[in-house]
Amino acid sequence: GAGVSQTPSNKVTEKGKYVELRCDPISGHTALYWYRQSLGQGPEFLIYFQGTGAADDSGLPNDRFFAVRPEGSVSTLKIQRTERGDSAVYLCASSPNRGGTQYFGPGTRLLVL
Amino acid sequence: GENVEQHPSTLSVQEGDSAVIKCTYSDSASNYFPWYKQELGKGPQLIIDIRSNVGEKKDQRIAVTLNKTAKHFSLHITETQPEDSAVYFCAAGRVFQGGSEKLVFGKGTKLTVNP
Repeated sequence: GAGVSQTPSNKVTEKGKYVELRCDPISGHTALYWYRQSLGQGPEFLIYFQGTGAADDSGLPNDRFFAVRPEGSVSTLKIQRTERGDSAVYLCASSPNRGGTQYFGPGTRLLVL
Repeated sequence: GENVEQHPSTLSVQEGDSAVIKCTYSDSASNYFPWYKQELGKGPQLIIDIRSNVGEKKDQRIAVTLNKTAKHFSLHITETQPEDSAVYFCAAGRVFQGGSEKLVFGKGTKLTVNP
């Protein structure tokens, strides 16, 4: 079946602009996770959803970052007033209700100029 | 919070040799330890995982061992092939009946298998 998909695959924006990154999880997966990966590092947790609600948003670096999952499927990560330090690969993963294995998408490469 | 250390950061082996990557974790509440392979420009792909109720798991050329007392876990790849070349990440987290919490990742090991 289809895996986790993320759009866009690449995004270039200017400092100060607003961006939205989209994640389509595997059909039927109740949990959805956002991670950020800087060059040469492992993924770092941002936020995770169980259904529509954010179960843990402790990884969001500041209030410029926000994520939603209004219908319990697709999620959007929103970054306001982007900074050059926000440049990274943003990864999304989803997990079924049982088992807990997290399956990752290909990521969105964000470059803030 | 959880902290995961991974060693070595780079590993170069000859085709057919074995490769071992080691990780340690700090939070004794962690009970789930997956390993991911990441190729350039792609997302991490799960290759094997282990839960804290077992000490070893094997899947063809790949095996993972877990020492809960020492908070160590290791990835073993035997009969390495050039297509095994990639960056490998270990991670630690907690799973429960309804799903899993966040994963904390190591910094990665770049494995190169020379033909």
